[in-house]
Amino acid sequence: GNSVTQMEGPVTLSEEAFLTINCTYTATGYPSLFWYVQYPGEGLQLLLKATKADDKGSNKGFEATYRKETTSFHLEKGSVQVSDSAVYFCALRENTGNQFYFGTGTSLTVIP
Amino acid sequence: EADIYQTPRYLVIGTGKKITLECSQTMGHDKMYWYQQDPGMELHLIHYSYGVNSTEKGDLSSESTVSRIRTEHFPLTLESARPSHTSQYLCASGFSGANVLTFGAGSRLTVL
Repeated sequence: GNSVTQMEGPVTLSEEAFLTINCTYTATGYPSLFWYVQYPGEGLQLLLKATKADDKGSNKGFEATYRKETTSFHLEKGSVQVSDSAVYFCALRENTGNQFYFGTGTSLTVIP
Repeated sequence: EADIYQTPRYLVIGTGKKITLECSQTMGHDKMYWYQQDPGMELHLIHYSYGVNSTEKGDLSSESTVSRIRTEHFPLTLESARPSHTSQYLCASGFSGANVLTFGAGSRLTVL
């Protein structure tokens, strides 16, 4: 079946620190992979995506590379800001259907 | 800018009341989804629709019901609310075959 496993939180970092949030997946076929972000009191917003192996998604300084060999899609940012404090969700969409599968979310707090 | 709207944003009601959470989108998306988000942040799919007059139950059993009479509208109804229904409810939509889900801001329900 399809599933997403992401790093447990919460994660607390100082401003300008390096961020990695791990995400691995299990899927039949070749899924598309996503990172969504949820700011306090809001719904989820698409942060970045990758649709095939070795693709790199990037947005707002965040990056993630679709690694088929390790079934991973780790989120990274070189220098976090206080405004990056949010919950981050890794997700996959199977190519043969319309279902999205979400990880459990990782809460990030960035302190000045 | 997301064009998917959820109302009410916040609702506090007593046990036994009937409630309807509204979700409307102006993007012409054929697919619509309802997720329940628990306090631990995990998302659970409770209902989805692939088009008008099409509704399916999701992975998490729910006592709620949905309808899809118009493409743009996907309301969720609880006939008799209970404290166990206290949660955040997120509506989302997307095109068939598309790789992106657009989320509403959520409806936070508290049942006393």
